Amino acid sequence: GQNIDQPTEMTATEGAIVQINCTYQTSGFNGLFWYQQHAGEAPTFLSYNVLDGLEEKGRFSSFLSRSKGYSYLLLKELQMKDSASYLCAGAPASGGSYIPTFGRGTSLIVHP
Amino acid sequence: DTAVSQTPKYLVTQMGNDKSIKCEQNLGHDTMYWYKQDSKKFLKIMFSYNNKELIINETVPNRFSPKSPDKAHLNLHINSLELGDSAVYFCASSGLGTSGVETQYFGPGTRLLVL
Repeated sequence: GQNIDQPTEMTATEGAIVQINCTYQTSGFNGLFWYQQHAGEAPTFLSYNVLDGLEEKGRFSSFLSRSKGYSYLLLKELQMKDSASYLCAGAPASGGSYIPTFGRGTSLIVHP
Repeated sequence: DTAVSQTPKYLVTQMGNDKSIKCEQNLGHDTMYWYKQDSKKFLKIMFSYNNKELIINETVPNRFSPKSPDKAHLNLHINSLELGDSAVYFCASSGLGTSGVETQYFGPGTRLLVL
């Protein structure tokens, strides 16, 4: 299976850096997604990691360690609009299904 | 232009009623999905259709019946609604995203409240 575990809630200050961790079972897994979901809205794609290491995309970076079953999303220079839920999702290994397994999401609250 | 759209956005109804949610995507994707997001925010797959054909049906009560008239539409009909059906239902389609991997594109969600 691909149990996904991430903290339920985090708070941070505007302008700061925050790291949201995600751990997962490595079996049947081939890559990890991060999605952002603002309250009352649809999840939107942020990043995908399939290789170990850090991928940077502007203020957001995502890291993956396949051997450790560990990923994190790093948000720099936090803005109030970054307050949202961040969903970690494991991508299935080959087998025809493209359906990721989602974690429950980490609700990030950014305060002034 | 809305990529994945679904209607209605809000649905309040009585127990025992039958209701439908409609979904359309203009991304040209072959595969569409229905997800349920409960109060604990877990996003769970319900159904997946590829080119109008059902390919995945998770453990969902048969009161839920998806229908895909063409590959751009995937509707969800729910019979005999129960209190536990209250949730947000997201339609999605998938295609190769900017990262070169099959990526889910979600609709705005339908907030269903069963009284």
